[in-house]
Amino acid sequence: GESVGLHLPTLSVQEGDNSIINCAYSNSASDYFIWYKQESGKGPQFIIDIRSNMDKRQGQRVTVLLNKTVKHLSLQIAATQPGDSAVYFCAANPNSGYALNFGKGTSLLVTP
Amino acid sequence: NAGVMQNPRHLVRRRGQEARLRCSPMKGHSHVYWYRQLPEEGLKFMVYLQKENIIDESGMPKERFSAEFPKEGPSILRIQQVVRGDSAAYFCASSAGTGVPETQYFGPGTRLLVL
Repeated sequence: GESVGLHLPTLSVQEGDNSIINCAYSNSASDYFIWYKQESGKGPQFIIDIRSNMDKRQGQRVTVLLNKTVKHLSLQIAATQPGDSAVYFCAANPNSGYALNFGKGTSLLVTP
Repeated sequence: NAGVMQNPRHLVRRRGQEARLRCSPMKGHSHVYWYRQLPEEGLKFMVYLQKENIIDESGMPKERFSAEFPKEGPSILRIQQVVRGDSAAYFCASSAGTGVPETQYFGPGTRLLVL
């Protein structure tokens, strides 16, 4: 099976700093990974995804890095803003299947 | 540009009653997924449906839970004879059905409270 976990349950950063949220996965056959942001009382919001044939992918203020050797991925948020405060989940899609396996989430708190 | 719609947003049921949760996928999407989220937990996959077909229900409890996605209308997740342990947030996601893997876009969820 697949086990997906985040390294830290909470992360506090100052506004303007860069944030790094880490995630480990167990199934080496996982070939698709997604980062979601979930604000209180809302559904998960797609941030960025990456396929296993890539090491890095960039979006607007966000970068996802994938290290298949150690089965680790990270989400980097540049110039973190108060609106970035939320719980961040990584999800893995094993064997190009349908179900996403979610980690427990990291709560990001941005302080002024 | 309506996203995934879910209703009701909040549902309160007493033990033994039935709960019906509805999900309308994003426009142009034909694939629907249901997930359950317990407090302080990540989402757990329950079932994956296409129009009139259940493709994968490996995450669905064998009893009391059922799902459908009819040719017309929203997808329905039905929980019969609810128990307190069913209290959770239930999220629906949809995808375009253009290939695997696909990005799944989530709705706002239905928060079920069983008294």
